[in-house]
Amino acid sequence: DAGVIQSPRHEVTEMGQEVTLRCKPISGHNSLFWYRQTMMRGLELLIYFNNNVPIDDSGMPEDRFSAKMPNASFSTLKIQPSEPRDSAVYFCASRHREMNTEAFFGQGTRLTVV
Amino acid sequence: DAKTTQPTSMDCAEGRAANLPCNHSTISGNEYVYWYRQIHSQGPQYIIHGLKNNETNEMASLIITEDRKSSTLILPHATLRDTAVYYCIVRVRASNTGKLIFGQGTTLQVKP
Repeated sequence: DAGVIQSPRHEVTEMGQEVTLRCKPISGHNSLFWYRQTMMRGLELLIYFNNNVPIDDSGMPEDRFSAKMPNASFSTLKIQPSEPRDSAVYFCASRHREMNTEAFFGQGTRLTVV
Repeated sequence: DAKTTQPTSMDCAEGRAANLPCNHSTISGNEYVYWYRQIHSQGPQYIIHGLKNNETNEMASLIITEDRKSSTLILPHATLRDTAVYYCIVRVRASNTGKLIFGQGTTLQVKP
């Protein structure tokens, strides 16, 4: 298996633009997590899905952030409009909930908002 | 989930054992101790987990004290590639969510 795949690996955008980050979980995994990492705040859980359904989005910073999981093999995290303080590395992770596997993380997307 | 306390940083000589401590004095009876690490510019990577018995796998050993209030991750022969941030996390293994709450971790620097 190729693991959790995130795209793009790097994104540079101007303030006010819409940004979409993508994640393909490991095949068969039915839980998906989005994390954000900054120097100041470390690794923060933004939202997680079970069986494509958002379960807890309490970590989403504000309404500018939204996440979707239209099917078991794809999820997106969208920021609209983006701001410089959104600059961070965004990680996606997946696991198999019923089999209680450990979480596997993607390589992350480094977002820079200028 | 219980909180954990780890030293901010540690050094280790290449080839020697690296012993990374973690305090989790408020751990509950059904909570496991998990260790992940994050090598620079990569996503976190699972290392090992345990409940109360000591555990060993190909990557590391986990020693949990009898009262379960602290644990130590042991990398028996540290290499330069083991330089990373190591996170100790406590959570219920059968959790419906499986979510991981990361602290600041310990930055391990393996030196030649």
